[in-house]
Amino acid sequence: GAVVSQHPSRVICKSGTSVKIECRSLDFQATTMFWYRQFPKQSLMLMATSNEGSKATYEQGVEKDKFLINHASLTLSTLTVTSAHPEDSSFYICSAGALETQYFGPGTRLLVL
Amino acid sequence: RKEVEQDPGPFNVPEGATVAFNCTYSNSASQSFFWYRQDCRKEPKLLMSVYSSGNEDGRFTAQLNRASQYISLLIRDSKLSDSATYLCVVNRSRGNTPLVFGKGTRLSVIA
Repeated sequence: GAVVSQHPSRVICKSGTSVKIECRSLDFQATTMFWYRQFPKQSLMLMATSNEGSKATYEQGVEKDKFLINHASLTLSTLTVTSAHPEDSSFYICSAGALETQYFGPGTRLLVL
Repeated sequence: RKEVEQDPGPFNVPEGATVAFNCTYSNSASQSFFWYRQDCRKEPKLLMSVYSSGNEDGRFTAQLNRASQYISLLIRDSKLSDSATYLCVVNRSRGNTPLVFGKGTRLSVIA
């Protein structure tokens, strides 16, 4: 079946650094991918919609200059958390759709010290 | 009011018990409905889609009531391996669009 991968699975970084997370659809093409964030004991919240070949669409309250999204090919979207701070520590999950089914990546756990 | 609301957890039940989860959604234009399962520190995984006619998959039965905007999940003969967080999920439209997640209900099945 369709598979979505994410890399890295876990990252620990110092405050002020930038972190790039990759999301790949492995056996299908995804013109659209979604980035979610989940804080402990909270819902997954949509951050942005990543569109291949065009600008990402951000949800209200998500800073586009802080969370940079690049969807340069039909199988790869990247999320860069710029100048990360401890409050950005969270579980970041991407998803990509095939027909009416969303497939989730395994997630990236970010800890900013 | 959140777009998708679920029973507050946690549910602690013995093996073999039947447990029911409830969920309501506020957007009457929602098109697709799902139950996902999320294990600790993992990504959500699709458990089953939910249809108005009701659907069953082994020990799991899901129901949708569009009139009352209510979704349910029934788990019969609970197993230890059913311990997880169950997420009620809604899609506002059909096709490749983002999902709206409930906060989830934690289930612990105890031996």
